[in-house]
Amino acid sequence: AQSVTQLDSQVPVFEEAPVELRCNYSSSVSVYLFWYVQYPNQGLQLLLKYLSGSTLVKGINGFEAEFNKSQTSFHLRKPSVHISDTAEYFCAVSEQGAQKLVFGQGTRLTINP
Amino acid sequence: DTAVSQTPKYLVTQMGNDKSIKCEQNLGHDTMYWYKQDSKKFLKIMFSYNNKELIINETVPNRFSPKSPDKAHLNLHINSLELGDSAVYFCASRTSGNNEQFFGPGTRLTVL
Repeated sequence: AQSVTQLDSQVPVFEEAPVELRCNYSSSVSVYLFWYVQYPNQGLQLLLKYLSGSTLVKGINGFEAEFNKSQTSFHLRKPSVHISDTAEYFCAVSEQGAQKLVFGQGTRLTINP
Repeated sequence: DTAVSQTPKYLVTQMGNDKSIKCEQNLGHDTMYWYKQDSKKFLKIMFSYNNKELIINETVPNRFSPKSPDKAHLNLHINSLELGDSAVYFCASRTSGNNEQFFGPGTRLTVL
């Protein structure tokens, strides 16, 4: 069965610093991968997704992620963060053909001025 | 032009009451979901409907009953509310093919 592990529950960084949020998944078949962001008191918004093709995926708000099949990872990066990036970030995986999306535990990104 | 909407946004009620949460999507999707997000932000799938038919029913107490009158609507009825039901409930709908899901704004349920 598919599973997702987000290795850091909280990541504090200073404004304008780079950030990487780590995500590893487990599945025996091909997968689709997603990163969602949840701002305080809001629903989840899609940041980016990997379906096939290029392993480097660019998303909204300057975020990107790289799919690494051999390491079963899909880490999220941003070269320079802003205060407005403070939010909870969720990695999710779906096996191809499956009806379910399985979420990681979330990583709280806190940006300090 | 809201894609996935939920009502109400906040729901405060007493233990033992029965309540409903409504969800509507105008994206033309066939599949809809209910998720529960606990106080630690963990998201757990509860139910999924495809074209008004139940396709996912996770281990959820039978006090929770979903209903889909048509493929654009998925409601959640909860009987005999308990303190542990306090959470944020999210509705979502899905594109066919890759399982990208679109989420509603959530309903924060507080049981006193």
